[in-house]
Amino acid sequence: EVQLLESGGGLVRPGGSLRLSCAASGFTFSSYAMSWVRQAPGKGLEWVSAIRDTGYYTYYADSVKGQFTISRDNSKNTLYLQMNSLRAEDTAIYYCAKGEQGAFDLWGRGTLVTVSS
Amino acid sequence: EIVLTQSPATLSLSPGERATLSCRASQSISSYLAWYQHKRGQAPRLLIYETSNRATGIPARFSGSGSGTDFTLTISSLEPEDFAVYYCQQRSNWLYTFGQGTNLEIK
Repeated sequence: EVQLLESGGGLVRPGGSLRLSCAASGFTFSSYAMSWVRQAPGKGLEWVSAIRDTGYYTYYADSVKGQFTISRDNSKNTLYLQMNSLRAEDTAIYYCAKGEQGAFDLWGRGTLVTVSS
Repeated sequence: EIVLTQSPATLSLSPGERATLSCRASQSISSYLAWYQHKRGQAPRLLIYETSNRATGIPARFSGSGSGTDFTLTISSLEPEDFAVYYCQQRSNWLYTFGQGTNLEIK
């Protein structure tokens, strides 16, 4: 079955760190760019970061540049998001998404990150 | 950063009616314009990619059009399951942005 499964979310204090993972199955993971997209409570979708198929090129929204790091392990079919110096405004559901022709054609169910003291 | 502005913010229609959703870009963009349907508690679902191509399994009542800065998603005859939030999204130089969404609600 073609799917993405996120994990690693949870409750973290302001200033803390968290690493999200996204396990891919059912397709050739190493052939596709991947992204993280988030949705804060009551807000719309916000693209966070993207990584190309080889992992050599990464891209970030201005809101997380220097704070988050995207990476991937093609041997494990897994995408990661390292989140540091977390703030209340980073509270959101984080989705991983598979890129295809400028769009996201496969999404995971998401993992909730809550930043609160 | 390219800003996408969707209108209207809320659209109230009845099943069987035609829905027209607009997405305007702050500058001319390539054909990398996509539309998504998002229901509470579910993952977003890709409807349209590259302005006018329906994604796999998407019914023919969904269509996309536009160019330059103005893009449109049309649902020809609303079904009960179509009431949801809709987002447009673009990619330029590997940077992506989403519109703020249109809430399509039952009248």
